[in-house]
Amino acid sequence: QKEVEQNSGPLSVPEGAIASLNCTYSDRGSQSFFWYRQYSGKSPELIMFIYSNGDKEDGRFTAQLNKASQYVSLLIRDSQPSDSATYLCAGREYGNKLVFGAGTILRVKS
Amino acid sequence: KAGVTQTPRYLIKTRGQQVTLSCSPISGHRSVSWYQQTPGQGLQFLFEYFSETQRNKGNFPGRFSGRQFSNSRSEMNVSTLELGDSALYLCASSSTSGGAAYDTQYFGPGTRLTVL
Repeated sequence: QKEVEQNSGPLSVPEGAIASLNCTYSDRGSQSFFWYRQYSGKSPELIMFIYSNGDKEDGRFTAQLNKASQYVSLLIRDSQPSDSATYLCAGREYGNKLVFGAGTILRVKS
Repeated sequence: KAGVTQTPRYLIKTRGQQVTLSCSPISGHRSVSWYQQTPGQGLQFLFEYFSETQRNKGNFPGRFSGRQFSNSRSEMNVSTLELGDSALYLCASSSTSGGAAYDTQYFGPGTRLTVL
């Protein structure tokens, strides 16, 4: 059973701080990983994807992938109250089939 | 470009009934995947269609079925509804078959199904 594990949180950070969200996966064959943000009552919104070891930056967001450790993370710099949401980590299993973690609730306090 | 659209947005059914949900992908996208989201199980993959063919299927009973039309629109059907089928049903659109690591999926707004 291929799994993606996330700490459910909530993770609370003050406004302006760096939020660090982590994810581990069991399938060494997974090639690419995705971070989605989901506001309460809304559908998931793609933030970033990563498929190479190392860091990938996009604005305030940095995704990190370590295939040897089977570890994926998302850093959010200068966190804002509007970043408060559930962050879903997903790994591609086959084709367009994604396996999702349970999600981490992030709360940014002003 | 318009995003992924799903209809209806909300649906209330009773046990034993059947339901059909519709998804129109982003223009030019040929892949549609369906997911079920519940508080207890999270987001779970149902199935994927690409060019009218089911390419992938998750671990759901045969009551859950789908199809894709030549214009890439997809429908999902659930027969003999059970209380546990109450969930947010999401479809995701992709331009490709997911063969490349960088292929991405974009979700529609979802259909909230309540089974009474």
